[in-house]
Amino acid sequence: SQELEQSPQSLIVQEGKNLTINCTSSKTLYGLYWYKQKYGEGLIFLMMLQKGGEEKSHEKITAKLDEKKQQSSLHITASQPSHAGIYLCGADNEGDDKIIFGKGTRLHILP
Amino acid sequence: EPEVTQTPSHQVTQMGQEVILRCVPISNHLYFYWYRQILGQKVEFLVSFYNNEISEKSEIFDDQFSVERPDGSNFTLKIRSTKLEDSAMYFCASKRTWLDTQYFGPGTRLTVL
Repeated sequence: SQELEQSPQSLIVQEGKNLTINCTSSKTLYGLYWYKQKYGEGLIFLMMLQKGGEEKSHEKITAKLDEKKQQSSLHITASQPSHAGIYLCGADNEGDDKIIFGKGTRLHILP
Repeated sequence: EPEVTQTPSHQVTQMGQEVILRCVPISNHLYFYWYRQILGQKVEFLVSFYNNEISEKSEIFDDQFSVERPDGSNFTLKIRSTKLEDSAMYFCASKRTWLDTQYFGPGTRLTVL
């Protein structure tokens, strides 16, 4: 079965700094999702990547999919306190409908 | 912007009791899901539902669990006889078409005592 490994598990950065979170899959990636979860709350959809080399941006968050490496990265530029939370990557297999999630990366932003 | 809603936000129950968790998916969505997240662990898939029947279910989704879409708007998850290990956050999700993204609700925190 597919496993998603996220790194780092936890990240503390100073407000205004850039950061990157990685998600590596044990199998070929077909659909890769990034969600954000505030502590004890629901999952907020950020981005979906489907093609190798695809890159998407939303405000100060950019996500890329490296199909060959079976990896995706999420980059935040000039981090703000509102970026704090848990970032989850998820993937679905070709022909499959359910999303398999990684354990998440906890992001703390220091003022 | 349309959202998936879930009620209640928090449910406390005694072991062995039945619980029903309710979800209202986004109105024009056709695919529905339940996931759960035990505290400190991954979000795990439970079941998917389309065209009034279960499409897929995980090993977690045993005979104690059932889902229903009783009318055109609600989607429910029933746990027949709750166990301590059922304590978790339960998330409902929906999407419009097969290729779309799943949108998640805010979750119901279930505590089994």
